[in-house]
Amino acid sequence: DIQMTQSPSSVSASVGDRVTITCRASQGISNHLAWFQQKPGKAPKSLIYDASNLQSGVPSKFSGSGSGTYFTLTISSLQPEDFATYHCQQYNSYPFTFGQGTRLEI
Amino acid sequence: QVQLVESGGGVVQPGRSLRLSCAASGFTFSTYGMHWVRQAPGKGLEWVAVISYDGTNKYYTDSVKGRFTISRDNSKNTLYLQVNNLRVEDTAVYYCAKDRSGRNIVEYWGQGTLVTVSS
Repeated sequence: DIQMTQSPSSVSASVGDRVTITCRASQGISNHLAWFQQKPGKAPKSLIYDASNLQSGVPSKFSGSGSGTYFTLTISSLQPEDFATYHCQQYNSYPFTFGQGTRLEI
Repeated sequence: QVQLVESGGGVVQPGRSLRLSCAASGFTFSTYGMHWVRQAPGKGLEWVAVISYDGTNKYYTDSVKGRFTISRDNSKNTLYLQVNNLRVEDTAVYYCAKDRSGRNIVEYWGQGTLVTVSS
């Protein structure tokens, strides 16, 4: 199985900051990577697919990049509603696997 | 708009079974693959299974192979997950999710249903 490792596990930031979260795959996954946002007690929300494409309705403050084994999610101009846990997931090969999550805290 | 509503969760003893359901609306259910993803309390997300739009192709994560079965009824716009021989470690919120264009990309999520396995 492909292992997905996110870093950091948690990060503190302030409103207005820009933050970058990384996700590494244990083997190459092309650009078959998605990012999700999850708030406490809520279902995840899909943000990005194919490493850099925004899902419908997702604001452009979210951006993704990378291919192969190294990927990043960048969130610019942080607002209070952006503080959540972010998950990456590879869908290049079965079984699809998630990273452990990165908690973005104020 | 896309709506996915899971049901069927509850408290069950180890070794017992449950059938989870996911009622879909707001899109042409019969033309999209569907996923189950779970999340144990306080833990990360774990992909469980996927089924193709017509039900012919199914894939599972290793820990549930032989115990869980994903299926769908396109005439009822409903996705299922039959979970057998439940273990304590299967305790989780189970989410169904809609695929994006048959590429195994999770696009929309349901609100989840909680399965608790305890003696």
